[in-house]
Amino acid sequence: AQSVAQPEDQVNVAEGNPLTVKCTYSVSGNPYLFWYVQYPNRGLQFLLKYITGDNLVKGSYGFEAEFNKSQTSFHLKKPSALVSDSALYFCAVRDRNSGGYQKVTFGTGTKLQVIP
Amino acid sequence: EAGVAQSPRYKIIEKRQSVAFWCNPISGHATLYWYQQILGQGPKLLIQFQNNGVVDDSQLPKDRFSAERLKGVDSTLKIQPAKLEDSAVYLCASRTPGGRGDTQYFGPGTRLTVL
Repeated sequence: AQSVAQPEDQVNVAEGNPLTVKCTYSVSGNPYLFWYVQYPNRGLQFLLKYITGDNLVKGSYGFEAEFNKSQTSFHLKKPSALVSDSALYFCAVRDRNSGGYQKVTFGTGTKLQVIP
Repeated sequence: EAGVAQSPRYKIIEKRQSVAFWCNPISGHATLYWYQQILGQGPKLLIQFQNNGVVDDSQLPKDRFSAERLKGVDSTLKIQPAKLEDSAVYLCASRTPGGRGDTQYFGPGTRLTVL
């Protein structure tokens, strides 16, 4: 069965510093990986996805993620953190259920706190 | 393009009562999902519809939860009777058909508190 792990419950970073939010995955076959962000009292918003091709994926709001097949990781990064980036971040992996339909499994989330 | 709409945004009920949530997906999105997000956890898929048919309800507690998507557009999720552990945010999401790794678009969620 597919799964993702987000080893850090919370990441604190100073404004202007680079940030990394970690994610590792387990899936049979080719991985389709996603990052979503959730602001307080809001639904999840799509940030970026990896399907195939370039290992460095660029997404919304200046975020990017690096796919590493040998380490089964898909870490989210941003060169310079903003206070407004403070939110809950979810990594997700897509696979197919027994009926052949897409099924997405989410990680437990990492709270990012950017300190002014 | 209008996003996924959900109502109500908040609901407080007592245990053993019934509650229903409504979702209107993005126009043209054939696939609709209901997720349960308990505080401090990631979203857990409850049920997935393709048009008006169920394609995955393996994690839906069918003794108390039910969902329908009549006419393949709007959907309702019902809990009857509610338990304390059902307190969570219920998220609806929709997706366009076909393609690889298509993005899910989420509604704002309904926060349910069971007392």
